[in-house]
Formats: sequence, C-alpha cells, structure tokens
Amino acid sequence: AQKVTQAQTEISVVEKEDVTLDCVYETRDTTYYLFWYKQPPSGELVFLIRRNSFDEQNEISGRYSWNFQKSTSSFNFTITASQVVDSAVYFCALSEADNYGQNFVFGPGTRLSVLP
Amino acid sequence: DTGVSQDPRHKITKRGQNVTFRCDPISEHNRLYWYRQTLGQGPEFLTYFQNEAQLEKSRLLSDRFSAERPKGSFSTLEIQRTEQGDSAMYLCASSLVLAKEETQYFGPGTRLLVL
Repeated sequence: AQKVTQAQTEISVVEKEDVTLDCVYETRDTTYYLFWYKQPPSGELVFLIRRNSFDEQNEISGRYSWNFQKSTSSFNFTITASQVVDSAVYFCALSEADNYGQNFVFGPGTRLSVLP
Repeated sequence: DTGVSQDPRHKITKRGQNVTFRCDPISEHNRLYWYRQTLGQGPEFLTYFQNEAQLEKSRLLSDRFSAERPKGSFSTLEIQRTEQGDSAMYLCASSLVLAKEETQYFGPGTRLLVL
C-alpha cells in the first residue's frame, strides 16, 4: 500500500531564511507521480509540481526547488529566501498505478509560518 | 472569471438527506478531479474523469457517493443518505493533460455540514 510521510508538522522561519520541507513516500509500483500542493490561509489549494518516477532531475522554479531521490524515497521541497506570503500548509502526494488503476494519497501536511 | 467554479459554496443538510454539488472546470480542460478534505487533514482523493469517462474511484469511497461528468464538461458529485462523517470540504480540480505535462487548478470548494 502507498503512504506519504511528512514528518514536520509545523515549521517556523524568519523571512529570508531558506527552508526545506521533507516528504518520504512508500510504494511498490515502479510507475508513479509525486506532487506538492500549497494551501494558504484562504483555503484554496494550489498545485505546485508533478514529477514522474522516471524523472529524477531536480526542478527549480524561481525560489522553489525540488529534490527527488528514489534511493531514499524522498521528494523534498525547498523555499529559498522565504517570504511571509509563503506561509501555508504544504502537502506532498503520491499517485500510483496498481491493479485498480491510479489512486492518490496525500501526506498530512506541513504548516509553514514565515515571520517578518 | 475563467477559473474552476463550484456551487454551492456552503451546504447545511440533515442526516439522511441527499446532496448534489456541481463543479465547472476551466474550459477545454480534459481532466476533472474530486477530493474531500476534513478540518486539519490532508485532502483525500475521491474520483477523477478524463473527458466524460470516470477513470478511477477511490476504493475507500462508499457506494453512497456517485459522480458524473456528462458531455465532458461540468461534473456533479452526489452523496445519498448523508451521514455526519460526510461533513467536509469538497474540492474540485481540473487540468489539461498534454503529453507529460499536467497542472491542476482547484476551485474554492463546497463546505458541507451534516447535522
């Protein structure tokens, strides 16, 4: 069965600090997708990235970067030079194919507070 | 506004009643997802459609839940014989799947309270 662990329940940083959110997943499939989502205080979910299991290249998008390592089953998310607007709950998710088709599992989320 | 819209935004119902939610995706998006999120928890996948075909439904989902996407445009999610445990935020997302790329866009959600 698939599982996503986000061990950090809450993180607080001061503005301009770098912060890394950890995500560890479990799956027996060789074909799967990993996602990160942001949920700001307003409540609306925002999709950040989708990465397939065959693409281990790190991704950078502005201040955001993702480190995918199959050897450790991790898909960590780093925010560089954090800003107050980055304050949100961040969810990591896994989508895999199995005998019943694809299914999605979300982690419990990490609440990030960026203080001015 | 060309984003994903959901109607109603809030619904209060009594246990045992049926409720139906609607999601209007971004025009021409071929994939549509339904999720559920309870307070303080991560989202839970319910089902998704590729055009009008329902490709997957969560194995954990009760038979009281049904979803449709006629003509591959808007989608409805119906919950029959609601229970207090159905109280949650119901989220819809749409995406345009092209080759290897997909970006999901979420609606504001429908908050359901079952009394």
